[in-house]
Amino acid sequence: NAGVTQTPKFQVLKTGQSMTLQCAQDMNHNSMYWYRQDPGMGLRLIYYSASEGTTDKGEVPNGYNVSRLNKREFSLRLESAAPSQTSVYFCASTEPETQYFGPGTRLLVL
Amino acid sequence: GNSVTQMEGPVTLSEEAFLTINCTYTATGYPSLFWYVQYPGEGLQLLLKATKADDKGSNKGFEATYRKETTSFHLEKGSVQVSDSAVYFCALRSPPGTNAGKSTFGDGTTLTVKP
Repeated sequence: NAGVTQTPKFQVLKTGQSMTLQCAQDMNHNSMYWYRQDPGMGLRLIYYSASEGTTDKGEVPNGYNVSRLNKREFSLRLESAAPSQTSVYFCASTEPETQYFGPGTRLLVL
Repeated sequence: GNSVTQMEGPVTLSEEAFLTINCTYTATGYPSLFWYVQYPGEGLQLLLKATKADDKGSNKGFEATYRKETTSFHLEKGSVQVSDSAVYFCALRSPPGTNAGKSTFGDGTTLTVKP
């Protein structure tokens, strides 16, 4: 089992560009999450999906959209990237209580 | 809402020293409590957990006890190694049906162990 995989690992964007971060899990988990990690601020929840077909906003959803494509995949889209979105993004899946994290996507917005 | 407060870092120790990283929480109901560890360049991974009061979670020589009376879940290890150098996160997870089962994380404590 690969667990939780994320692509890409690194990305550099210019302000205003768009991109989609991909996440997939092979553990048959219902719940999936997107977090961002910034220095000194821990993990902040962007969006989550309690089950296939549902998504909900987390703590910091502005500037992002998500799609729960199927049970395995949960993507995060930046429609118009801003420098404030420079961060490390982690996807996670959960079952029943423990969260399993992907390796992260390091995003730099210039 | 729920919150987790953990000891500010960074923490620097010599090999074989005793480690304590404090964690306190605020939550409604009876959450489950977790410690996650993040090694450089990697995602978080579960270190240990406890699901009810007085439970002790343990793994790789680390221990933490769920203290409901003091709303704490302090992480301890009797003798740290250089390989324990990482960032440690305390977290709680609300029971099913409350707060949509979301997790709340502390800000993380960076531990560096020197030979």
